[in-house]
Amino acid sequence: NAGVMQNPRHLVRRRGQEARLRCSPMKGHSHVYWYRQLPEEGLKFMVYLQKENIIDESGMPKERFSAEFPKEGPSILRIQQVVRGDSAAYFCASSLLPRTGNTGELFFGEGSRLTVL
Amino acid sequence: KQEVTQIPAALSVPEGENLVLNCSFTDSAIYNLQWFRQDPGKGLTSLLLIQSSQREQTSGRLNASLDKSSGRSTLYIAASQPGDSATYLCAVINNAGNMLTFGGGTRLMVKP
Repeated sequence: NAGVMQNPRHLVRRRGQEARLRCSPMKGHSHVYWYRQLPEEGLKFMVYLQKENIIDESGMPKERFSAEFPKEGPSILRIQQVVRGDSAAYFCASSLLPRTGNTGELFFGEGSRLTVL
Repeated sequence: KQEVTQIPAALSVPEGENLVLNCSFTDSAIYNLQWFRQDPGKGLTSLLLIQSSQREQTSGRLNASLDKSSGRSTLYIAASQPGDSATYLCAVINNAGNMLTFGGGTRLMVKP
């Protein structure tokens, strides 16, 4: 039973390019969360998605960042026109819902480390 | 707004010691609290999850307690080993929210 799978594990981009990070949740999980960990900082929530829906994007920067979780395929976190400040580890987590009757436990992937030159 | 604080930020102990990591949170209306381990350059491994109605959870040498009314949790590690060296993160989900709010972590080093 594979865990949360993220790819690529490492990504290098030049300023102005686009970065696409992919996340496949655990089998049976239909809820995905993206977190960002800046160097020497804690993890910060970015966005929470269900299949074909964005539920909470309160932590997502207003510009250049977008996320989707299509009916088929992995969730995608897209960063357009990357800047050096986007360099970070981006973690995806998944959970089994509905939360009622569920522990609400989140399972994390290994992360995708973005370096912007 | 929920805020989670972990003390100490870093800890270095000799092998074999029992140790306690502390976590505090400002909003007691939590759904659950999770302790994670993160190794350098790696992802997060879930260690223990405590539901809001529970007082503690145990797994092997780890024991986590929760005092929701005072906004505190502790992670107790018995007979520490060098392999326990990692960053330990505490995180809570609020009743009204969807996301985990993380503390800054405690970087633990266990010396042989």
